[in-house]
Amino acid sequence: GENVEQHPSTLSVQEGDSAVIKCTYSDSASNYFPWYKQELGKGPQLIIDIRSNVGEKKDQRIAVTLNKTAKHFSLHITETQPEDSAVYFCAVGPSGSTLGRLYFGRGTQLTVWP
Amino acid sequence: NAGVTQTPKFQVLKTGQSMTLQCAQDMNHNSMYWYRQDPGMGLRLIYYSASEGTTDKGEVPNGYNVSRLNKREFSLRLESAAPSQTSVYFCASRDRGTETQYFGPGTRLLVL
Repeated sequence: GENVEQHPSTLSVQEGDSAVIKCTYSDSASNYFPWYKQELGKGPQLIIDIRSNVGEKKDQRIAVTLNKTAKHFSLHITETQPEDSAVYFCAVGPSGSTLGRLYFGRGTQLTVWP
Repeated sequence: NAGVTQTPKFQVLKTGQSMTLQCAQDMNHNSMYWYRQDPGMGLRLIYYSASEGTTDKGEVPNGYNVSRLNKREFSLRLESAAPSQTSVYFCASRDRGTETQYFGPGTRLLVL
């Protein structure tokens, strides 16, 4: 199966700074790369995703970049706010699959200090 | 539109006891999933169901069984609970069009 590695496991930033979380994967056939945010006591929620036909996608303060050749992708959060504090998971899977199985990284605990 | 619901929210079991975790979705999704979340381990897939009547093993299926009762409901059963099954369990369903998985609020299980 797919092997997804996520770094760092914890990240602390000052409010207003940027945060970057990186993931690598092993299966070159994978072509769907979502990011999920999990707030304390809740289930994960999709915040952004990218497919292998694009190299970058942006949604307001968050962006994801993908390097298919190197098999890594990153989440960028700019102008961080305290409400960005949460656990973030990257995931990898095949796009267009009936099964839709995802392989998740181990998560990054992001803390934004006011 | 409640999304994905899970019951119970919290459960304490003794080793060897059995229980069923319930999950339901009202978004008319075909695919549903059961994950467990342990500290530092991320989300690991236990079982999934691509459609009503079909189920497949995920990464960590040992000690669990599932039932896809109908399109809405997907239950997870622990026949003989073990302390290693202490975890937070999440159910999810998938929108085939956007490929987004929607997660329930989780069930926190403690096995003593």
